[in-house]
Amino acid sequence: AQSVTQLGSHVSVSEGALVLLRCNYSSSVPPYLFWYVQYPNQGLQLLLKYTTGATLVKGINGFEAEFKKSETSFHLTKPSAHMSDAAEYFCAVSGSGTYKYIFGTGTRLKVLA
Amino acid sequence: DSGVTQTPKHLITATGQRVTLRCSPRSGDLSVYWYQQSLDQGLQFLIQYYNGEERAKGNILERFSAQQFPDLHSELNLSSLELGDSALYFCASSASGKLDTQYFGPGTRLTVL
Repeated sequence: AQSVTQLGSHVSVSEGALVLLRCNYSSSVPPYLFWYVQYPNQGLQLLLKYTTGATLVKGINGFEAEFKKSETSFHLTKPSAHMSDAAEYFCAVSGSGTYKYIFGTGTRLKVLA
Repeated sequence: DSGVTQTPKHLITATGQRVTLRCSPRSGDLSVYWYQQSLDQGLQFLIQYYNGEERAKGNILERFSAQQFPDLHSELNLSSLELGDSALYFCASSASGKLDTQYFGPGTRLTVL
C-alpha cells in the first residue's frame, strides 16, 4: 500500500525567504513521486517528478526536491519565495502497475510581503 | 494549458439527479484517470481507463460509473446525487509510454443542492 503525509497544512514565508514544504511517503514498491501546484479555481500543474535516476530533481518556477530513500522523504524547496508562489501544493506517490496517484492532504503556501 | 479538456466547468443540480462529466485527454494519450477533490476527503483517485478498458478502481461509489470511448474521451456518470457528492472532479491523462506522469484538466465543479 502507498500513502503520503504532508506536514503542515498551512505554511507562511516572507517574500525572498526559503520555501520548504515537507512530504513523506510510504510505498511497498519503488515509488514515483510528484509535486503538483494548484492555484485558486484551477487544475493541478506538475512542478516536478522523481521516477528513477538522479535523486535531486529540478522543476519549474525554481522549485526542486530531493528523493531520500532512507528518510522516505521528498521535500519541496525553493531558495527565494515570490508572491506568485502562493498556492496549494500537493505531493503524490504512485508506482509501477496502475500508476494511480495517492495524494497528500496538501499544503497551502502563503507568501508575506 | 495541459491539453486536457473537461466540460462543463460548473454544474449545479439537485439531490437525486444524474449528471455526466466529460473529459478529452491530451492528443495521443491512451490513459484517463478520474479524481474527486472535496474538503473532507481531499484528492481521491476514482477510476482509470486505458485504451477503452478499465485498468484500476479506487474509492468510487457504486452510484458512479465511467467509460472511455473509441475516440479516447471519457465520461464520468454520477447518479442518485447526494449533497456529499459536491466536489471538484478532475480528469487526468497520461501517454502510453509515460504512464507515470499525469496531466490534469481544469476540473468540473459539481454543486448538489
